Amino acid sequence: EVQLVESGGGLVQPGRSLRLSCLASGFSFDEYAMHWVRQPPGKGLEWVSGISWNSGSLVYADSVKGRFTISRDNAKNSLYLQMNSLRDEDMALYYCVKDTGSVAGPLDYWGQGTLVTVSS
Amino acid sequence: DIQMTQSPSSLSASVGDRVTITCQASQDISNYLNWYQQKPGKAPKLLIYDAAVLQRGVPSRFSGSGFETDFTLTISGLQPEDVATYYCQQYDKLPSIFGPGTKVEIK
Repeated sequence: EVQLVESGGGLVQPGRSLRLSCLASGFSFDEYAMHWVRQPPGKGLEWVSGISWNSGSLVYADSVKGRFTISRDNAKNSLYLQMNSLRDEDMALYYCVKDTGSVAGPLDYWGQGTLVTVSS
Repeated sequence: DIQMTQSPSSLSASVGDRVTITCQASQDISNYLNWYQQKPGKAPKLLIYDAAVLQRGVPSRFSGSGFETDFTLTISGLQPEDVATYYCQQYDKLPSIFGPGTKVEIK
């Protein structure tokens, strides 16, 4: 059974940093691209960032480019999102999501999300 | 960036009704279109990929169609468990944009 378990969310002040983690199990993690997708409270879905299976391709939404960094450790079956210079508009539930293949494919498994609250 | 629109933004229908949701892309995306279902308080779930291919385990009352810029998600016989918000998503070009969603309720 595929499982994606996010952690690292919490309350953070504007301008500060936070690192999200996602532990994957139930599939060959090192064969698939992975993504972060976020959802502000009561709003729709926004794709944030994606990474290819070998970290050779890293892609970001314009809204986070230069502030967020995606990475993975295939030996640990883990995906990360380093979020710097956080803004009010970054407040959201952040989902770790598995791609069906390359860095631009359907997203077939989602975690339950970790909530990031940005407030002073 | 490619923009995605959906209509209607919400709908209310009776059990057993045929429900149709449309999604439009701002440019040709071929068939690189997915549909997701998000039930209240839950993570999204992939329903249909490549515009018309049903994801494994999804009931056959769900179907998708379309090409280039215009796409449709149809629920043939709405069930109470289909109450959810439905999102389309293009993956022809990055960034991968989601539509704003369509909220489906039971009348």
